[in-house]
Amino acid sequence: GDSVTQMEGPVTLSEEAFLTINCTYTATGYPSLFWYVQYPGEGLQLLLKATKADDKGSNKGFEATYRKETTSFHLEKGSVQVSDSAVYFCALSVAGRRALTFGSGTRLQVQP
Amino acid sequence: DSGVTQTPKHLITATGQRVTLRCSPRSGDLSVYWYQQSLDQGLQFLIQYYNGEERAKGNILERFSAQQFPDLHSELNLSSLELGDSALYFCASSDQAGGPDTQYFGPGTRLTVL
Repeated sequence: GDSVTQMEGPVTLSEEAFLTINCTYTATGYPSLFWYVQYPGEGLQLLLKATKADDKGSNKGFEATYRKETTSFHLEKGSVQVSDSAVYFCALSVAGRRALTFGSGTRLQVQP
Repeated sequence: DSGVTQTPKHLITATGQRVTLRCSPRSGDLSVYWYQQSLDQGLQFLIQYYNGEERAKGNILERFSAQQFPDLHSELNLSSLELGDSALYFCASSDQAGGPDTQYFGPGTRLTVL
């Protein structure tokens, strides 16, 4: 079946540091890939998405590139802020099976 | 604000009881999904409805059921509750108008079973 694997957290960084959160996937079809963010006490918000190989999704300084050859969709940001502290979820959906399959989530803590 | 609303925000009940969680999708969205978020299982898909019809089932227990009404709001019914059912329950909606299916999530209902 489909699955998503994320790096274990928490990830603790100082403000303005570079962020990478690794995400790899296994899918029986051709997936679309997503990053969702969950701030404390809130629901999930779509951060970015990519629908085909080599697509780059970007939003609010975050980027992720759909790498079919390595089945990866790593999240990056060049300079994190305290306000980026949240839990980040990598997810996929396959055409015909539209429900999202999520990774376990990675908690990011940014210290001033 | 995603435009998806869920009520109640918090629910505390006892084992063996039955509860109903409610979700109103974004205006115009025909598809509603339910997900459960727990510490041990993570985020899991439960069930999907599209325009009133059940479309897909995930890891939903037989004690749980859902429906989508003509006005497109949806309800998730949980019965014979057990301690392990304590979790955050999210509803998401999408328009499924074609292309990648971006889902918009509500704020969730936190269920505590004592």
